[in-house]
Amino acid sequence: ETGVTQTPRHLVMGMTNKKSLKCEQHLGHNAMYWYKQSAKKPLELMFVYNFKEQTENNSVPSRFSPECPNSSHLFLHLHTLQPEDSALYLCASSQERVRKRGWPDTQYFGPGTRLTVL
Amino acid sequence: AQSVTQPDIHITVSEGASLELRCNYSYGATPYLFWYVQSPGQGLQLLLKYFSGDTLVQGIKGFEAEFKRSQSSFNLRKPSVHWSDAAEYFCAVVHDYKLSFGAGTTVTVRA
Repeated sequence: ETGVTQTPRHLVMGMTNKKSLKCEQHLGHNAMYWYKQSAKKPLELMFVYNFKEQTENNSVPSRFSPECPNSSHLFLHLHTLQPEDSALYLCASSQERVRKRGWPDTQYFGPGTRLTVL
Repeated sequence: AQSVTQPDIHITVSEGASLELRCNYSYGATPYLFWYVQSPGQGLQLLLKYFSGDTLVQGIKGFEAEFKRSQSSFNLRKPSVHWSDAAEYFCAVVHDYKLSFGAGTTVTVRA
């Protein structure tokens, strides 16, 4: 596989379930991101990892727990979610968080996981 | 605060006609600007980006965008639309190394 892959593509879960979303990038990048895309709202950045270290948590509720075991894999662990958490969750990666010359790096996105919380 | 505005929620265009999508940003310094496209059921694909230099930027799929500092705009254009261009288009601007996205413009292409 090439690019950024996400599994599962669709997930339906109850509010008491625990599930995980997986993202894998095959681009040799060192930075990975989780975004939330809700209907009719701009994409919201959730978490950023750079060289496996979390560098951004955009005030995300603790029921979302990210994990980055290496630069190629990123997980989003979900527990006791609410119906308003239903959305498309997108993963992205970039070479680094910030290029050495100070320019931001281009992010490449996966196809997303469509999450429905009942 | 950093913001990106896409004034048009939905645009319908005939196949073969030209397309222009508007994007305005609010930011004091030189912005880093992107356009992404999202086809149904897909993630976001980068169309083009502007960091500096020539204000007219060429992208993939025949798209181009023009940065106009005086108007705080970065509008996306395509001279002749194909049915496969039906998608949602997002403008994004970088501030503090984070991407801020507009709400998107949905493009419908009629035969």
